[in-house]
Amino acid sequence: DTGVSQDPRHKITKRGQNVTFRCDPISEHNRLYWYRQTLGQGPEFLTYFQNEAQLEKSRLLSDRFSAERPKGSFSTLEIQRTEQGDSAMYLCASSPEGRGPSPFYGYTFGSGTRLTVV
Amino acid sequence: GNSVTQMEGPVTLSEEAFLTINCTYTATGYPSLFWYVQYPGEGLQLLLKATKADDKGSNKGFEATYRKETTSFHLEKGSVQVSDSAVYFCALYHGKIIFGKGTRLHILP
Repeated sequence: DTGVSQDPRHKITKRGQNVTFRCDPISEHNRLYWYRQTLGQGPEFLTYFQNEAQLEKSRLLSDRFSAERPKGSFSTLEIQRTEQGDSAMYLCASSPEGRGPSPFYGYTFGSGTRLTVV
Repeated sequence: GNSVTQMEGPVTLSEEAFLTINCTYTATGYPSLFWYVQYPGEGLQLLLKATKADDKGSNKGFEATYRKETTSFHLEKGSVQVSDSAVYFCALYHGKIIFGKGTRLHILP
C-alpha cells in the first residue's frame, strides 16, 4: 500500500459543469476525510466517513457538493454546476481512527486534486 | 468554536538561523496538537505532534511544546536549512483536524 491516492491530480472545467474526484485511502483505514484548500489558506474540513457512513458535513459543503463511500473503501466527491469559487485543491486523508482505545493515530493525506473552474 | 491562529508569513531567514513560528489555539478540553508541513509541489506531511499538556513533539530538528497555560504550541528549530523552505501548518484535533492558515518559510543560503 503506497498511501492515499487521489485522481485526477488536476482538473480544469468550465463553469456550470459537473466534476467528480476519487480518493483511495490506505486499505486498513476506516476513516476518510475531505478537505478543501484555497491559495494562502489552511485546509478546511468538508466531510468525513467512518466506513461507509458519512458522519459529519461542514457548512462549507453546499447542496452542490456530494460525497459517497459506498463500500467503505474508496470515496468520491462530486461538485455539480461548478462555480469559479470552487477552484481549490481538494485533499483527501485517511486514518485508522475509531478502532481500539487510542484516541488518535494521525491522518495520512493524499497529494490532492487541483480544480480550476474557468 | 475550536480554532488555530498562527503567525502570518512569509518568514525569511538565513541558513543556520533560529526559527520560531508562533501558534495559539482555542478549544474545549485538551485537544491533541500538530504541526504539518507542505513542501513545494507535495502533499501535507505530519511533522510532529503532542497529545497532552507539557508534551514535547520533535522531528527533523523541529520541536514544539504543548503549553496549556498559554494555549500555545510554538514551532522552533535551532538551525534552519534551505531544505526547510515550505509552508507550515499548526493544527488541533478535536474529532477532526482543524488547521491554521499556514506560515510560508523561506530560507536563504
